Order: sequence, then C-alpha cells, then structure tokens
Amino acid sequence: AQTVTQSQPEMSVQEAETVTLSCTYDTSESDYYLFWYKQPPSRQMILVIRQEAYKQQNATENRFSVNFQKAAKSFSLKISDSQLGDAAMYFCAYDNNDMRFGAGTRLTVKP
Amino acid sequence: EPEVTQTPSHQVTQMGQEVILRCVPISNHLYFYWYRQILGQKVEFLVSFYNNEISEKSEIFDDQFSVERPDGSNFTLKIRSTKLEDSAMYFCASSEGDRNSPLHFGNGTRLTVT
Repeated sequence: AQTVTQSQPEMSVQEAETVTLSCTYDTSESDYYLFWYKQPPSRQMILVIRQEAYKQQNATENRFSVNFQKAAKSFSLKISDSQLGDAAMYFCAYDNNDMRFGAGTRLTVKP
Repeated sequence: EPEVTQTPSHQVTQMGQEVILRCVPISNHLYFYWYRQILGQKVEFLVSFYNNEISEKSEIFDDQFSVERPDGSNFTLKIRSTKLEDSAMYFCASSEGDRNSPLHFGNGTRLTVT
C-alpha cells in the first residue's frame, strides 16, 4: 500500500523568508501524481501544486516550488517570500488512482 | 494508531440509485468531514459536521447529498438519485477539535455510477 509521510507536524517561518516542507512516500509504481494542498482553518482544500512523476522538471507555481526526487521518493514544497496568508495546514498527497494523504504540516508565519 | 475507516472501498451503482458511503471516524474525534475527488481533478470540500449538525457545506453539497451520524461511531454520506458525474473518490476525515486540530483522512470510497 502506498503511504505518505510528512515528518514535520509543525513548521514556522519568518515573513518574507523561505521554508521547505518535507514529504516522502512509498510506492512500487512508476507513474503517479503528487500534490501539495493548503488547508486553511475553514477546512477547504486548496491545490497548491501538482507534479507528474514522469516529468523530471520540478513543478513551480509562483512562490511555490517542489523538489521532486523520484529515486528517493521525496517531494518537498518550498515556499519563497513567505506571506502571512501562507499560514495553514499543508497536506502532501500521492495519487495513482488511489489517493493517499500525509498527516499534514502546520505552517506558522511570523510577522 | 487509530485510523479513519471507510467502507466500502469501491461501490458501483446505477444512475438514479441512492448510495450510502460509510465512515468510522477516530473514536474521540468530534468534527467530521467529507471530501470528493473526481478522477484526475483536485480534492474538493463537501461538508463539515459537528454536534449532530452541518457546520459548513460547499456549493457541491446540494439537496442530493445528506450526512448523518446515526450512532456513536458511524458518519455517513448519502447521495440520492446518483448521476454519472457523481463518480469520484469520496474521502471522510475527522479531527479532535476544530480549525487547528490535525485532520485524519480515511482511504476513500471509489464510487462508480453507471
């Protein structure tokens, strides 16, 4: 079974600084998708970024980028120039027709 | 470690039929949620539930949907008169408290409407 591990229950970053959230996963598949979702207190799920495993190029979306290491099964999220509005729970997810979520990392942004 | 469990893992139903998706949240959790993921698309929030009533619901959660906590352990999502576009993965989640409490997801139920 696929598992997703987020080893950092909580992270903190100073406004305007950069922070990296870790995610590792376990799979025997070669083709799959990886996601980072942001979840504000409202419990909505906001898609931050998506990576297709067959693409070697790391996905980027404005201030958000990933470091996808397929061999290491690692998928970290980097948030540059952190803003107060980035404070939320962040979930890493793996999807190969069977989505699995990590336990989440709570990000605090200090002014 | 306690888990959120969902049954069945896969349900196939005919268009127009009613389905009930079942979830057993973690026993001491008080807040319950349903999310949906249409194949290949993003995860979407459906509804949150606390103290035997809906706390919030999205635009997706229309009159076709209802949730219930029929006993002390189960949390169900009922979809009446299913449509082809209801085919999706449905995820249940629970948390001990609101907002800042960690959310625990189940493994999902894949609903296929034919």
